[in-house]
Amino acid sequence: QVQLVQSGAEVTKPGASLKVSCKEPGLNWMHWVRQAPGQGLEWMGVVSPPGTWSLLAQKFRGRFTMTKDTSTSTVYMQLTSLTSDDTAVYYCAREEETTKKFDDWGQGTLVIVSS
Amino acid sequence: QSALTQPASVSGSPGQSITISCTGTSNDVGGHQYVSWYQQLPGKTPKLILYDVNNRPSGIPDRFSGSKSGNTASLTVSGLQTEDEADYFCNSYTTSGLYVFGTGTKVTVL
Repeated sequence: QVQLVQSGAEVTKPGASLKVSCKEPGLNWMHWVRQAPGQGLEWMGVVSPPGTWSLLAQKFRGRFTMTKDTSTSTVYMQLTSLTSDDTAVYYCAREEETTKKFDDWGQGTLVIVSS
Repeated sequence: QSALTQPASVSGSPGQSITISCTGTSNDVGGHQYVSWYQQLPGKTPKLILYDVNNRPSGIPDRFSGSKSGNTASLTVSGLQTEDEADYFCNSYTTSGLYVFGTGTKVTVL
């Protein structure tokens, strides 16, 4: 079991921006998945081990950005123009090599968007 | 990318077998073998229980098995136990390089 450590819960207002972080062991394909209250899992995107390539699901392009700081082995999900529909638990998940599965998960970061 | 279709709920008695379906298209489930399943216990983080249709990670009991036919993948839990009560999600890699989850199935042990 590989430990992924995410940043703490956030409460913010509509229209705001924030950044969620996830510290990983290093050199992994890292995914982001979110889960709205009482809802299912939603895949958001993936970033490559060196952080030079990323791919976001269509619905998040233009508002959300994934980055990686290889010096600290931390991946980030930048969320902008937030609405109440973005209220969710955001998970990072590690993909071992290119196995197309999510081997380990962070503990989740609760983001609440409310006026 | 539309979510894969799963039944909202499935139930069974201890010792019985249940099967959860996961239906997609030829662009995801039907296009390759990269289908995985995740178990989410109440209030917990999702956990990988099957990958590549029918492979179990270390530590996952062989009561969990998977199969695929065409655009539909299935998870079978044999010898159902009370601790299997959870939400289950399928996931598939897609031909466009994206990933998609299923709608999720709540398993109740009667």
